[in-house]
Amino acid sequence: QQQVKQSPQSLIVQKGGISIINCAYENTAFDYFPWYQQFPGKGPALLIAIRPDVSEKKEGRFTISFNKSAKQFSLHIMDSQPGDSATYFCAASIPGNQFYFGTGTSLTVIP
Amino acid sequence: KAGVTQTPRYLIKTRGQQVTLSCSPISGHRSVSWYQQTPGQGLQFLFEYFSETQRNKGNFPGRFSGRQFSNSRSEMNVSTLELGDSALYLCASSLSKVQGEVSNEQFFGPGTRLTVL
Repeated sequence: QQQVKQSPQSLIVQKGGISIINCAYENTAFDYFPWYQQFPGKGPALLIAIRPDVSEKKEGRFTISFNKSAKQFSLHIMDSQPGDSATYFCAASIPGNQFYFGTGTSLTVIP
Repeated sequence: KAGVTQTPRYLIKTRGQQVTLSCSPISGHRSVSWYQQTPGQGLQFLFEYFSETQRNKGNFPGRFSGRQFSNSRSEMNVSTLELGDSALYLCASSLSKVQGEVSNEQFFGPGTRLTVL
């Protein structure tokens, strides 16, 4: 059973556009929701993360929107650049660092 | 601070063999988790070690095992390799303290690419 459901599986965006990736979860025990960026041949790198007591967090061009009642959270990449082309994973953790990952979204930003 | 390091980076084994992968966490991090990443299944949690004890375990067969040393370095072992074990094995470390505390940032190593022939 997939604890965290991620969509879309792939995404193509024009340079300068907004990339939006969505995730949904069921377990209300999750207390931490990170997003990871992974380039081919590399391990995932922590991009941005949020805790459930906050509805939005912004770091540069990356924003997490969190809807606790709907059990959904999303990543928004503003002014998308070709260098953002990568696979993005959402995740959720229960206290004590047991993480569950979404299946990933392959983002391609076209120049 | 040095990041999470994993050795070796690449391994080729044949069915039936066993393999040991190594992970050195970020200095000061006591929690080490292992994941299997495949194109079809994504990132699957194997187990997590904290203070030399397995604290959490995913849904993998007993052929997958691990251990953690007093310096927080961790090893993962897979016995009787199967073709389906071909994957990228990722290690992640975290500044975790005790069970039940709020979750903390987890930092990944570059992974070990295991190919089983």
